Parts: sequence; structure tokens; C-alpha cells
Amino acid sequence: QKEVEQDPGPLSVPEGAIVSLNCTYSNSAFQYFMWYRQYSRKGPELLMYTYSSGNKEDGRFTAQVDKSSKYISLFIRDSQPSDSATYLCAMSFSGGYNKLIFGAGTRLAVHP
Amino acid sequence: ETGVTQTPRHLVMGMTNKKSLKCEQHLGHNAMYWYKQSAKKPLELMFVYNFKEQTENNSVPSRFSPECPNSSHLFLHLHTLQPEDSALYLCASSQETGPEAFFGQGTRLTVV
Repeated sequence: QKEVEQDPGPLSVPEGAIVSLNCTYSNSAFQYFMWYRQYSRKGPELLMYTYSSGNKEDGRFTAQVDKSSKYISLFIRDSQPSDSATYLCAMSFSGGYNKLIFGAGTRLAVHP
Repeated sequence: ETGVTQTPRHLVMGMTNKKSLKCEQHLGHNAMYWYKQSAKKPLELMFVYNFKEQTENNSVPSRFSPECPNSSHLFLHLHTLQPEDSALYLCASSQETGPEAFFGQGTRLTVV
């Protein structure tokens, strides 16, 4: 079993739709949960991170963590064509340096 | 210069060649990382340097040799690579105490 599971997609939605991206994980020791966005031929860009359980909102993006279910989500409201990218979830343990465990990424396409 | 810069952006090398990848960070971070990204696979952590000291070697073959002369620079020396080593190699940096990692644009390596 992989430590982090993420549906690779692709996910295709019309502009303006609400997008839901998800990851599940197996290690209950993870404490930090990150979402990265990666455009084609670019490096990953950190969107937001959450510590432990709960929600975090930043503009059109909302991250949710449910540690009891080992499930994290990223919601994108009013999706735009510029949101078309691969979205990577990543997790790390509490404390120390940043040893990230990544999901395989979900490719999202937002069409006008 | 801002963020994390990687050179070269693209590299084609034969199996008998020796080449080096370079990474430089301008964020004042004290931890630097090499990740490998292959098609349809999660990012794989290769090496971690914390205050110039290697703190993680994720069972990487010896044909990959990292070097960290100071907290701002990181190299990956390559020799006698195999075609399956073709991938996007990403450098990242972070503060030791923080969960956020910032990535460079990557070097697209092709081994022929």
C-alpha cells in the first residue's frame, strides 16, 4: 500500500465549476499537509499547508484535513482556465526538516 | 535572482558521460533537497542537506553524488547513468523548522 494515494485523473471541468481534489494516506503520524500546483514543464509551487486537522482558506482555495479518516481535500471555487495544472498533495511528520511524502498528482483541465 | 534556481534546464547525456546539476537558493533557507520526478510517479526524495550536512540518503545509487558546499548551493554529480534515470530532477529548499518547501524549475535529464 502506498503511503499517499491520489487519483491521477485527468479531471476536466468547465470554467466556474467547483473542483474537489483528494488524497488518502496510511500513516497516522503525518502532521503537516500541503498542496502544490505544478504547471507543465515547471517546478511545484506551494499553494497552502495545514497543520493537523481542520480547514484553511486562501482566496478561491480551501484545504481540509480529516485525520480520523486519513483524508485531505483541496477545493477550488470559481475555477479558471489558469488553474489547469497538476495538483500534488504532500505530507510530512511533525518537527525537524521537511521530508515530504508526495501523492502522484491529479491533472486538472478547466475549459472555457 | 529570486527563489530557487536550477541549471541547466535541460540535459542530454550518454551513459558514459559525467555531468553536474546545480541548484542555488536565495531564500536564506538552511535545508536543501534533491527530488526525482518520473512520469506518472510521485516525487521521490533523494537527498537532504541540513546546514550543509547530509542528513538523508534515500537509498540512491552511487552514480548520483550530491555536494553541498554551503547553505545556498547544492550540486548533483552524475556519472554512468542508465536510461531509466531519465526524469525531472528538482531541487528544493526550506527552513529546518518549517514545513514549506520551495522548488526550483527542475532539470529535465535524458540519458541516451
